[in-house]
Amino acid sequence: NAGVTQTPKFRVLKTGQSMTLLCAQDMNHEYMYWYRQDPGMGLRLIHYSVGEGTTAKGEVPDGYNVSRLKKQNFLLGLESAAPSQTSVYFCASSPGQSTGELFFGEGSRLTVL
Amino acid sequence: TQLLEQSPQFLSIQEGENLTVYCNSSSVFSSLQWYRQEPGEGPVLLVTVVTGGEVKKLKRLTFQFGDARKDSSLHITAAQPGDTGLYLCAVRTGGFKTIFGAGTRLFVKA
Repeated sequence: NAGVTQTPKFRVLKTGQSMTLLCAQDMNHEYMYWYRQDPGMGLRLIHYSVGEGTTAKGEVPDGYNVSRLKKQNFLLGLESAAPSQTSVYFCASSPGQSTGELFFGEGSRLTVL
Repeated sequence: TQLLEQSPQFLSIQEGENLTVYCNSSSVFSSLQWYRQEPGEGPVLLVTVVTGGEVKKLKRLTFQFGDARKDSSLHITAAQPGDTGLYLCAVRTGGFKTIFGAGTRLFVKA
């Protein structure tokens, strides 16, 4: 009963380092999303995908890249981490209807020193 | 400027009290969702409202979608400590993006 799984759960980076967050879903959902959550800011959409091989920018895409090579996986990359990217990152998936429910992972806490 | 404005930002009440939180926008939406997020977890969907004026009840929680489909409210009757959490409203916009408000953080004291 995995649902949406994010790895890693925690990571500490130094400024300028790169890393990739992996999101995997086993519900055969079409849509997948990456959000970041900061205190007082709610969830802000970074990038999203409406299907395998497609990606699109959200509200705060700068400094991030994504890829959706397989339907079940959505990768979020940071090429050169900055302290402003310290946050909790959430991945979500949705079946794709117009009012579709989002199913979230447990989050990945990233600290950039 | 956020697409969805939630108020209040923070609410601390005693067990047994009633409360209402709001989600407002100047835009019209075809549907609106409410999620609850507990510490260390991702948000979980509570309800989706789709019709202007619609009222949905989930045990002690009552959700209303405004007649003009620009706003929504969540009313909790006789709040319990288990209701503590971050309440988020969300809408799907063009291009299938789901956008969230900043949330109302509720703390219910026993």
